[in-house]
Amino acid sequence: EAGVAQSPRYKIIEKRQSVAFWCNPISGHATLYWYQQILGQGPKLLIQFQNNGVVDDSQLPKDRFSAERLKGVDSTLKIQPAKLEDSAVYLCASSPEGGDYEQYFGPGTRLTVT
Amino acid sequence: QKEVEQDPGPLSVPEGAIVSLNCTYSNSAFQYFMWYRQYSRKGPELLMYTYSSGNKEDGRFTAQVDKSSKYISLFIRDSQPSDSATYLCATISGGGADGLTFGKGTHLIIQP
Repeated sequence: EAGVAQSPRYKIIEKRQSVAFWCNPISGHATLYWYQQILGQGPKLLIQFQNNGVVDDSQLPKDRFSAERLKGVDSTLKIQPAKLEDSAVYLCASSPEGGDYEQYFGPGTRLTVT
Repeated sequence: QKEVEQDPGPLSVPEGAIVSLNCTYSNSAFQYFMWYRQYSRKGPELLMYTYSSGNKEDGRFTAQVDKSSKYISLFIRDSQPSDSATYLCATISGGGADGLTFGKGTHLIIQP
C-alpha cells in the first residue's frame, strides 16, 4: 500500500512570496490533515478535511494560509504572503473513515523563508 | 500549561538497555494515545496506539496509559542503534473533529 505522498520535499522562498504544497493521501482514506512542525516542536494541526469538506481550520492563519481538497482526494496548502516565522516542515497526514487515531504521515515539505 | 508535556531530552542509553519514554497530559477528554517515531528529515511514523487505560505490546515496544494520573509511557526492550530517533507522544479525543495533540518529542540516542 502506497503511503502519503507530498511535494516538493524542500522549498526556499523570500518573505512576501507565495508557495504551494501538494499532498496525495493513502488511497481510500477519507480524512486528510495538514500539520505544521517547527524545529524542536511537535506537529500542530492547521486544517482537517473530511472528504472535501473542512472539519476544523481553527488554527489556520486565514489571512495568509489557504487549503483546498478538490474531489475529496488530493489537497494543496498555500501560503501568501510568506513570513519568516512560516519556516517549518509542513506535514500531510491521512486516516481511514472513523479512525482519526490512526493517522499516517507523509515525508513533509521543509520550507525555509529568507 | 501545554496540553501534552514531554521531556525533549536528549536521552542517551547503551545498546541493549530498556528505554522508558514518558508524557503527561491535562485534558480528560483524550481517549486515544499514540506513539510516533520520527527520524531526522522524515515524517512521523505511527508505532502504536492505545485506547483508554492499559498496556499494549508490539514486539520490543510496550505502550502504557494510566488515565487516573494522565501519564503515558513507551518502553523499548533490547534497544538497538536503529531505535535512535525522536519519539513523539500524541493524544486525541476520538470524536472525529479534531487533530492530534503532540508533545515536543524526546530525542533518543542508543549508543553502540
